[in-house]
Amino acid sequence: GAGVSQSPSNKVTEKGKDVELRCDPISGHTALYWYRQSLGQGLEFLIYFQGNSAPDKSGLPSDRFSAERTGGSVSTLTIQRTQQEDSAVYLCASSLGGRDEKLFFGSGTQLSVL
Amino acid sequence: RKEVEQDPGPFNVPEGATVAFNCTYSNSASQSFFWYRQDCRKEPKLLMSVYSSGNEDGRFTAQLNRASQYISLLIRDSKLSDSATYLCVVTPAGGSNYKLTFGKGTLLTVNP
Repeated sequence: GAGVSQSPSNKVTEKGKDVELRCDPISGHTALYWYRQSLGQGLEFLIYFQGNSAPDKSGLPSDRFSAERTGGSVSTLTIQRTQQEDSAVYLCASSLGGRDEKLFFGSGTQLSVL
Repeated sequence: RKEVEQDPGPFNVPEGATVAFNCTYSNSASQSFFWYRQDCRKEPKLLMSVYSSGNEDGRFTAQLNRASQYISLLIRDSKLSDSATYLCVVTPAGGSNYKLTFGKGTLLTVNP
């Protein structure tokens, strides 16, 4: 596609429910990243994929968070038993990988946990 | 010392002004540096990479000072459309070059 696509753009859920956030990276980009941005805060690294592998999951805040990537393309970030502190904008980015760290971001999913 | 530190601002300048932002980083072995801009309620977008020799892109000039561990961004002849948050981004050393560290950003408002 022309850019990184994320869906849904907005998600309102009740505390305790599970949510799935989707990211469709730029075609040909082997690296994919998930970040989280809370209101007025910087970007917080969550997880990185190179191909379908996630060599670094250290940024995931808790075991309620998981992510997968299939076919070296689409990625899904799943949050189980959502809590109010999970409310944030979840940003996905992709890059060519290798030593090219120039990231292209999607427009994000605004998650609100009531 | 925070990994990447920026003055949060806000910087309020009139159109046509020159404004400069600094960013300091804690890891002396950091290898790559970038400036991203983020408009209100939008995603970050790459503005420019920062090279050791300094680099310029139109009205924007980026510089790196490894000895003092800071990078800077200079904007000349500010436009209203330059209003945004400017994010300083650093890659750590040690092979994990994917794990970009973002500063919290400096808010710039250019006024008519």
